[in-house]
Amino acid sequence: SQQGEEDPQALSIQEGENATMNCSYKTSINNLQWYRQNSGRGLVHLILIRSNEREKHSGRLRVTLDTSKKSSSLLITASRAADTASYFCATFANAGKSTFGDGTTLTVKP
Amino acid sequence: EPEVTQTPSHQVTQMGQEVILRCVPISNHLYFYWYRQILGQKVEFLVSFYNNEISEKSEIFDDQFSVERPDGSNFTLKIRSTKLEDSAMYFCASREDRGQYNEQFFGPGTRLTVL
Repeated sequence: SQQGEEDPQALSIQEGENATMNCSYKTSINNLQWYRQNSGRGLVHLILIRSNEREKHSGRLRVTLDTSKKSSSLLITASRAADTASYFCATFANAGKSTFGDGTTLTVKP
Repeated sequence: EPEVTQTPSHQVTQMGQEVILRCVPISNHLYFYWYRQILGQKVEFLVSFYNNEISEKSEIFDDQFSVERPDGSNFTLKIRSTKLEDSAMYFCASREDRGQYNEQFFGPGTRLTVL
């Protein structure tokens, strides 16, 4: 397994449903960030959660962090077709670089 | 809001040619990074740069790659002799300092296509 692994790899839901994506990592971290990427486009920063935080909200997004389990989850509530994208978690540790997971591809059907 | 910018947005080159990808990090940031993402794959770390020198590099960052901060604003990635497998999206990022909770800010990326 690699640092920053998301599951599921792919998720397909109906508009209005909630989407939950998980990320696991191996080593200690300073913070964890979630990004969205539309096909072939740049990275859009969603949320940063610090290692001393357990939960964070931003609009329809809710991120949790469990450092004891080395895992994080991203919940998107009341999903919209425009939420269709790939979602990546990236961990940041003392090494000074971000390590990205493989990503979850979310498809929201209208 | 300050942002990282990258030019060009898309670069097409012939195999064996040299390319320079340019980035302008956020002005008060001290740490600079290059990452790449091959189509359909995850984002991979290439190199980090601090105080005018490389602080860390990955196995991908071999002798064909080099980075430079030629002036007070630009941060460049040079690929000396491009290969087909260098085709990818290249992202520049910067951080204010090494502080525990500081966020990396990513640029919009340069799509490099090697023919």
